[in-house]
Amino acid sequence: NAGVTQTPKFQVLKTGQSMTLQCAQDMNHNSMYWYRQDPGMGLRLIYYSASEGTTDKGEVPNGYNVSRLNKREFSLRLESAAPSQTSVYFCASSDVMRFRLGEQFFGPGTRLTVL
Amino acid sequence: DAKTTQPTSMDCAEGRAANLPCNHSTISGNEYVYWYRQIHSQGPQYIIHGLKNNETNEMASLIITEDRKSSTLILPHATLRDTAVYYCIVRVRTNAGKSTFGDGTTLTVKP
Repeated sequence: NAGVTQTPKFQVLKTGQSMTLQCAQDMNHNSMYWYRQDPGMGLRLIYYSASEGTTDKGEVPNGYNVSRLNKREFSLRLESAAPSQTSVYFCASSDVMRFRLGEQFFGPGTRLTVL
Repeated sequence: DAKTTQPTSMDCAEGRAANLPCNHSTISGNEYVYWYRQIHSQGPQYIIHGLKNNETNEMASLIITEDRKSSTLILPHATLRDTAVYYCIVRVRTNAGKSTFGDGTTLTVKP
């Protein structure tokens, strides 16, 4: 199993450009999440999807949109990138039916720089 | 969800036990304590979680006080590879969408 995969690993954008970060998991998990982590800080939740077909805002949703394409895939879109969105983006998944209920599995991250 | 307070940083000698404290004085009765760690900017990794009883697994032990207002993560024999940022999170078990990671404790294990 690959676990949680994210593409791309690195990206540089100019202010105003758009892009989509991709996330996929092969663990048949119901819930998926997008976090951002700014330098020296903890993770902040952007959006999450408790199950296929649903999405909800987290702490810092402004400037982002998400799509839960199917059970495996959860994408994060920046419509008009701003320098304040320079960060490392982590995708995660979890399944409330697992014996470690609520344990989240994280991807390796996407390092985004907006100039 | 309850907020947590952790020290910013801690040091530990290699081979000794590392005890990482976390305060969560506003924890609710149905909220669990979770611990994750993040090594060198990788994605966070689950360590352990508990409700009110002490828990132990292959990675660590979790001691929760009787009033549940604080907890301690114990790494029994710290190695250099345990150097990481450790996050204490309090939330309802079935709602990971409410996970607030905070800034964590940077543990440095020294030879």
